[in-house]
Amino acid sequence: GENVEQHPSTLSVQEGDSAVIKCTYSDSASNYFPWYKQELGKRPQLIIDIRSNVGEKKDQRIAVTLNKTAKHFSLHITETQPEDSAVYFCAASYGKALTFGSGTRLQVQP
Amino acid sequence: DTAVSQTPKYLVTQMGNDKSIKCEQNLGHDTMYWYKQDSKKFLKIMFSYNNKELIINETVPNRFSPKSPDKAHLNLHINSLELGDSAVYFCASSPLSTGELFFGEGSRLTVL
Repeated sequence: GENVEQHPSTLSVQEGDSAVIKCTYSDSASNYFPWYKQELGKRPQLIIDIRSNVGEKKDQRIAVTLNKTAKHFSLHITETQPEDSAVYFCAASYGKALTFGSGTRLQVQP
Repeated sequence: DTAVSQTPKYLVTQMGNDKSIKCEQNLGHDTMYWYKQDSKKFLKIMFSYNNKELIINETVPNRFSPKSPDKAHLNLHINSLELGDSAVYFCASSPLSTGELFFGEGSRLTVL
């Protein structure tokens, strides 16, 4: 089955800096790569996703890049704000259930 | 209107008891899931149902039994609860077309 590894497990940045979270996946058949944000005590919510026919996707301060050859994908958050503080999960799937990475706790210091 | 709702939100019980968690979605999605999130925040798939049929059953003890009476409902029954079952259980649904997961609010199970 699919295996998704995510790094770093914790990330602390100053407000206004950029944050980058990286994931690798094992199954070359995977074609859907979403990112979820989970605030404390809340449900995970989709913030951005990318499919395997696209190399990069951007939505305001958030961008995701995908390297299918290397089986890597990354989340980039620019101009971080305190409200970006949360746990971020990457995931991968090829039509079945999503397999999630282990999560990155992002702390944005004001 | 809540899209994916699950009850109860909190459940505290003794080891050895049996408990159920209910989930309903009003999004018209064909696929529903149960995920378990442990104390380290790992999100792990347990079961997946497509239109009432079980399509994924990960290595979950058979004390856990899902039931889908129709495609809008997916319940989880747990027998003989153990301390290690303490976790947050998330129900989710997704449309076949996109695969995007819509999560319920979670049910925090504490086994004493």
